[in-house]
Amino acid sequence: QITLKESGPTLVRPTQTLTLTCTFSGFSLSSNGEGVGWIRQPPGKAPEWLALIYWDHDKRYSPSLKNRLTITKDISKNEVVLTVSNVDPVDTGTYYCVHGGWYAAHWGQGTPVTVSS
Amino acid sequence: EIVMTQSPATLSVSPGERVTLSCRASQNIHNYLAWYQQRPGQAPRLLIYHASTTATGIPARFSGSGSGTEFTLTIAGLQSEDFAVYYCQQYNNFPPWTFGRGTKVEMK
Repeated sequence: QITLKESGPTLVRPTQTLTLTCTFSGFSLSSNGEGVGWIRQPPGKAPEWLALIYWDHDKRYSPSLKNRLTITKDISKNEVVLTVSNVDPVDTGTYYCVHGGWYAAHWGQGTPVTVSS
Repeated sequence: EIVMTQSPATLSVSPGERVTLSCRASQNIHNYLAWYQQRPGQAPRLLIYHASTTATGIPARFSGSGSGTEFTLTIAGLQSEDFAVYYCQQYNNFPPWTFGRGTKVEMK
């Protein structure tokens, strides 16, 4: 059974850096074809894909946010970390960790993040 | 960036009805399309991938079709638990994956 769980702060001040951790089980991110990504969803809006990291260390980022995003993985801990720098109130929403290299086959429960002073 | 357009935005239906949701891509995405269901307060869940392959554990009443730029999600015999928002997502050209704005299926 594949599970993913997000953790991180619920409130972040503008201009700060947001760090989110995804802890997963049921698969290995060192196995061929595996990928873990992040998707966020502003309140009442559609999901927005942010970043993806593959088993072979390949990383993909949303072009509109690329300069502010960093995704890393720790195989030994079964963790993927996303950092979002210089946050703004428009970054408010629920952040989901997902399993899948092409489509999001499995989703975490999501973690709400509010950016406000 | 590929733009995904879903229609209608809202669909009012009664339980037991057959429902058809549409998704259009701004350019050819072959069959690299997924459908998700999102119930209130929950994370989205995968229903369909590769345009027509049903994900594990998804009831047989859900089916997907289409290729190129035009896609359809059909729910044959809507159940009460199917009232939700449905999103399509392309993964042919990425980054980025792109989602449609969703279709809300509500009770008539």
